Amino acid sequence: DGGITQSPKYLFRKEGQNVTLSCEQNLNHDAMYWYRQDPGQGLRLIYYSQIVNDFQKGDIAEGYSVSREKKESFPLTVTSAQKNPTAFYLCASSTGTVLSAKNIQYFGAGTRLSVL
Amino acid sequence: GDSVTQMEGPVTLSEEACLTINCTYTATGYPSLFWYVQYPGEGLQLLLKATKADDKGSNKGFEATYRKETTSFHLEKGSVQVSDSAVYFCALSLHTGRRALTFGSGTRLQVQP
Repeated sequence: DGGITQSPKYLFRKEGQNVTLSCEQNLNHDAMYWYRQDPGQGLRLIYYSQIVNDFQKGDIAEGYSVSREKKESFPLTVTSAQKNPTAFYLCASSTGTVLSAKNIQYFGAGTRLSVL
Repeated sequence: GDSVTQMEGPVTLSEEACLTINCTYTATGYPSLFWYVQYPGEGLQLLLKATKADDKGSNKGFEATYRKETTSFHLEKGSVQVSDSAVYFCALSLHTGRRALTFGSGTRLQVQP
């Protein structure tokens, strides 16, 4: 079945540590996204990538980094510079960035990150 | 900038009651509009969508009409079920510029038997 796989489902970070969240899709989508969700709030865009080897900052990129070396993979690293990383992280993909009725954004099941 | 405003929750209803969740938007262009649903501990699933004024999106008994004159996209359902309990997000995307989704803050729906 085609879809988006995020791993791990739960992740714990120690102070000063970098952690990487995995996102893999087998939908052959060009565009991929990372969102952060805090309790009682909507999703905020961290980074997005329209094509391999290219990515752009979203609204809250500080303290995060990404790479897009393969079409199917878009890992997110939460660095020690991110002082409040506890949140639910969602990865998404779409066939392109012109979102329309035919070009829908699909989401993974998410990774919940907590600080020890 | 572009933004989406949703009514605050939680919304608590009895089974078979009517549901309306208000959503209004601000956008510089003519966005596509979406409703996503999130069940506990899961990611988001697309519920319905509309791409131009007066379009009506529908799915699983839910409906929403793209109202350009009031910049609204209210979600409605005539008879809710316990299984509809979830968080509902309204979102927009433009066809130019960044093109990622801009989300509202979400509305939690609790349906009691």
